[in-house]
Amino acid sequence: RKEVEQDPGPFNVPEGATVAFNCTYSNSASQSFFWYRQDCRKEPKLLMSVYSSGNEDGRFTAQLNRASQYISLLIRDSKLSDSATYLCVALIQGAQKLVFGQGTRLTINP
Amino acid sequence: EPEVTQTPSHQVTQMGQEVILRCVPISNHLYFYWYRQILGQKVEFLVSFYNNEISEKSEIFDDQFSVERPDGSNFTLKIRSTKLEDSAMYFCARETSGTYEQYFGPGTRLTVT
Repeated sequence: RKEVEQDPGPFNVPEGATVAFNCTYSNSASQSFFWYRQDCRKEPKLLMSVYSSGNEDGRFTAQLNRASQYISLLIRDSKLSDSATYLCVALIQGAQKLVFGQGTRLTINP
Repeated sequence: EPEVTQTPSHQVTQMGQEVILRCVPISNHLYFYWYRQILGQKVEFLVSFYNNEISEKSEIFDDQFSVERPDGSNFTLKIRSTKLEDSAMYFCARETSGTYEQYFGPGTRLTVT
């Protein structure tokens, strides 16, 4: 079983739509969670950390459910510039290493 | 502004040759990481480096790989005898102390022919 699993997509949605990504993790030693975005052939860029209470940053909302080992990202009022691959990432406690999911490809259409 | 810079941006080498990839942090940090991403695949952890020592390494990080911080500034990844399957993007990352958040450099694309 993959340590961090995501639906690879692709997701094609119209500009202005709301889109949600889900992610599951299997390693109970996962300590912290993040969403990164990656543009084609570029480095992963930290979008937001994910907290148990849920957190919001502008149009982006992240949720963590430790009991279900489930993480989500919601993007409201999507923009063309949101087109990218979204990476669900877990930090393994003690090792301080990031474990990445395969990524979900999102394309926002005009 | 990048958190770290990496050189070169692209390296082409022949199989069996040694390569050194460099990472230069913008400011002084203690935690550094190397990751790689083979084209079309997920980002994979290679090694973490804390206070000038390896703190964790993956199964990928075998005897062909080494890391060091020779001058207290540059952080290098050396591959002694490259294989075709070493072709990938190699990312250096640094951690903001206390947050567990890692910020990635722009990467070095390594092509082994």
